[in-house]
Amino acid sequence: EDQVTQSPEALRLQEGESSSLNCSYTVSGLRGLFWYRQDPGKGPEFLFTLYSAGEEKEKERLKATLTKKESFLHITAPKPEDSATYLCAVRTNTPLVFGKGTRLSVIA
Amino acid sequence: GEEVAQTPKHLVRGEGQKAKLYCAPIKGHSYVFWYQQVLKNEFKFLISFQNENVFDETGMPKERFSAKCLPNSPCSLEIQATKLEDSAVYFCASSLREGPYGYTFGSGTRLTVV
Repeated sequence: EDQVTQSPEALRLQEGESSSLNCSYTVSGLRGLFWYRQDPGKGPEFLFTLYSAGEEKEKERLKATLTKKESFLHITAPKPEDSATYLCAVRTNTPLVFGKGTRLSVIA
Repeated sequence: GEEVAQTPKHLVRGEGQKAKLYCAPIKGHSYVFWYQQVLKNEFKFLISFQNENVFDETGMPKERFSAKCLPNSPCSLEIQATKLEDSAVYFCASSLREGPYGYTFGSGTRLTVV
């Protein structure tokens, strides 16, 4: 059974304090790993797709990386508007399987 | 349109009543997915459609849940005889095609069973 584990559950950062979120996965036949951002009361918003180990994607203050066992979402110099829940999901031959997310709070 | 439209945003039902949720996928997207999000952000896959055909229903509780995607109509998810544990946010997502592509999610319908 495909499994996705995200850590930490919650993270509190000062504005400008860089950090990383972790997503470890156990799947057979990874077809893609996805990062989403979810704001309260909203649906997940797509951020990145990673397909193979060694791949990296960047968007503004976010950078996602992928190894054979885990993915990291690096947040550089975060701002309060980066506060959200960040979800990791994997795709094999089944629909997307989600982790439980990391709830990020960035304090000004 | 370029967004997945879900209605209603909120739905309150007494235990045993029927609940019906609607989803209009992005125009041109062939695949529609329903997920249930309960406490602690757990996303549970329910069912997917390719156009009007059921593609994968492995997550669907068979007894009380049903879903349809008919041509020229919003997709629907119906729960007969709701139970307290059905309280959750139900998300619909659509995708252009099958495969390792991201889904575009709607804003969800919050169902509260009292």
